[in-house]
Amino acid sequence: DTAVSQTPKYLVTQMGNDKSIKCEQNLGHDTMYWYKQDSKKFLKIMFSYNNKELIINETVPNRFSPKSPDKAHLNLHINSLELGDSAVYFCASSQDFRGGNTIYFGEGSWLTVV
Amino acid sequence: TQLLEQSPQFLSIQEGENLTVYCNSSSVFSSLQWYRQEPGEGPVLLVTVVTGGEVKKLKRLTFQFGDARKDSSLHITAAQPGDTGLYLCAGLSGAGSYQLTFGKGTKLSVIP
Repeated sequence: DTAVSQTPKYLVTQMGNDKSIKCEQNLGHDTMYWYKQDSKKFLKIMFSYNNKELIINETVPNRFSPKSPDKAHLNLHINSLELGDSAVYFCASSQDFRGGNTIYFGEGSWLTVV
Repeated sequence: TQLLEQSPQFLSIQEGENLTVYCNSSSVFSSLQWYRQEPGEGPVLLVTVVTGGEVKKLKRLTFQFGDARKDSSLHITAAQPGDTGLYLCAGLSGAGSYQLTFGKGTKLSVIP
């Protein structure tokens, strides 16, 4: 069973389009995250939710809007896609938001904007 | 923003060789984690170190947290092709902090 699953795995889309990436975790964790990994493999946090509440919101364009319908799901919607949004987006979860917890990552969603 | 510098950025070695990769910062971290990421996959946690000077071993991998909790190293003995991947360190700053800062990683290739 996949602990953190995200869809789609690959997404190629044109500039200006709106797209969503879905994420679900079956670990019973309270905290979920979205990370962005650029072409140089730098992994940077975008958002974090704990029990459906936003707790981390890094400097991310407001074209990116996370939504957590329940604590097992955290979806990412991106409006007006730009070339620079091309990256791998990782969903992740942890037991709670206290430091030192293991973060479990999904397999990533490869977004290419053309 | 606290930065974690990882070195070397790239490392290509022959099977059976030993290697060490480093994770350095000017900031103090309350804990530090090492992850390995294989191509097409998400990062997977290898170890968490929390005490200055702590050494943890995971089979052929030895992790050390610096005495001042500003740096860490990962030593692999007798590297195998299965060790190939991107090694990421991630630090957690100060008490009460819950946000991990990742380094840019060391990409290791072990040639058979």
